Formats: sequence, C-alpha cells, structure tokens
Amino acid sequence: NAGVTQTPKFQVLKTGQSMTLQCAQDMNHNSMYWYRQDPGMGLRLIYYSASEGTTDKGEVPNGYNVSRLNKREFSLRLESAAPSQTSVYFCASSGGGGKYEQYFGPGTRLTVT
Amino acid sequence: GDSVTQMEGPVTLSEEAFLTINCTYTATGYPSLFWYVQYPGEGLQLLLKATKADDKGSNKGFEATYRKETTSFHLEKGSVQVSDSAVYFCARGNSGAGSYQLTFGKGTKLSVIP
Repeated sequence: NAGVTQTPKFQVLKTGQSMTLQCAQDMNHNSMYWYRQDPGMGLRLIYYSASEGTTDKGEVPNGYNVSRLNKREFSLRLESAAPSQTSVYFCASSGGGGKYEQYFGPGTRLTVT
Repeated sequence: GDSVTQMEGPVTLSEEAFLTINCTYTATGYPSLFWYVQYPGEGLQLLLKATKADDKGSNKGFEATYRKETTSFHLEKGSVQVSDSAVYFCARGNSGAGSYQLTFGKGTKLSVIP
C-alpha cells in the first residue's frame, strides 16, 4: 500500500499565481486533513474533511480552498499565492470512528517569490 | 482550548545517552495521546500512542506513559542512537464536528552525536 501520496514534492510560484496540491490515500479512511509546517510553529491545520462530501476550516484557512473529490482524494488550492504561504504542506488521513491516529504524506515544499 | 506543550529544543545527546522529552496537555476530557517522529525531509510517522490513563505506549525502544494526574505524556528512551536524530511531536486528540482532530506541540529537535 502506498498510504498517503502527495504531488508535487516541490513547487516554486510567483506572487499571484495559483496552484492545486493533490493528495490521495488508499487506506479507505473517512477523514482527511491539510496542514502547513513552518519553523518554530509546529503543524497548523488549514482545512479538514470529516467524511466524503464535507469540509471545514481549521486554524489557518485564509488564502486556501479545498475539495474532497471522493473518499480517496483531497486537494488544496491556492488561488493567488503570497510569500506568506511559503511553507511545507502535509496531507494526512485517519479512519475516524474514534481512531484518532493520522497518517501523513511526504509533504510538498512550496516557495512563493 | 486544547493545547499541548512540549520542551523546547534543540536537544543534543551523545550516543547511548538517556532521552526524556517532556510533554503536557490541557486536561479537557480524556484525550488519546500520541508521539510522532519526523526524519529530515519526510512526513510525520506515528511513533506510539496511549488511549487511556496509565496506558504505556512503546515502539522502537521509545516509551511514554499516560499520566492523568500530571496531564503528562513524556517520551523516554534508555539508549539513543544516531539514527534517532529527528524532530519529535507530541499530540492530543480532540473531538468535534465528527472529525477526530489532533493538536500538536511545536516539536523538539533531537540530535544524537557519535
């Protein structure tokens, strides 16, 4: 099993450009999450999807949108990238139903110039 | 709100030294507790977990005990190796809106020198 996969691994954008980060899981998990990781800040939740068809804001949603395309896939879109969105982005999934443990993808390193 | 506090790093140890990384959590409810490890350039991996008071989670020589009375979940290892060099995150489970979210500490970077 691949677990959680993310594409791309690296991306450089100019300010104002848009892009979509892709995430897929093959563990039949109900819940999926997007985090950003910045030095000294730990992980901060951007958006999550408790189940297929639902999405909710996390701690830092401004400047992002998400789509839960189906049970496997959860994408994160930056409509107009800003230098403050330079970060490492992680997707994660969990089984739900009382199973809190999350499984993480390898991350996307995004630089906005 | 729910929060997790873990000791500031970085921590530098010699090989075979004893490791403790402190973690405390806010006492809202009876959360599940986790330690994750992040090796350079990789995502987070679940290291161990505990779901109720006095449970001990263990994996790869690491241990942590769920202490309800002190709201702590300290990570320990008796003899660290160079390969243990990584960032360690403590996390607690929160419930809400049907999604089982985690709140993470800020991470503690461990470097083990030969």
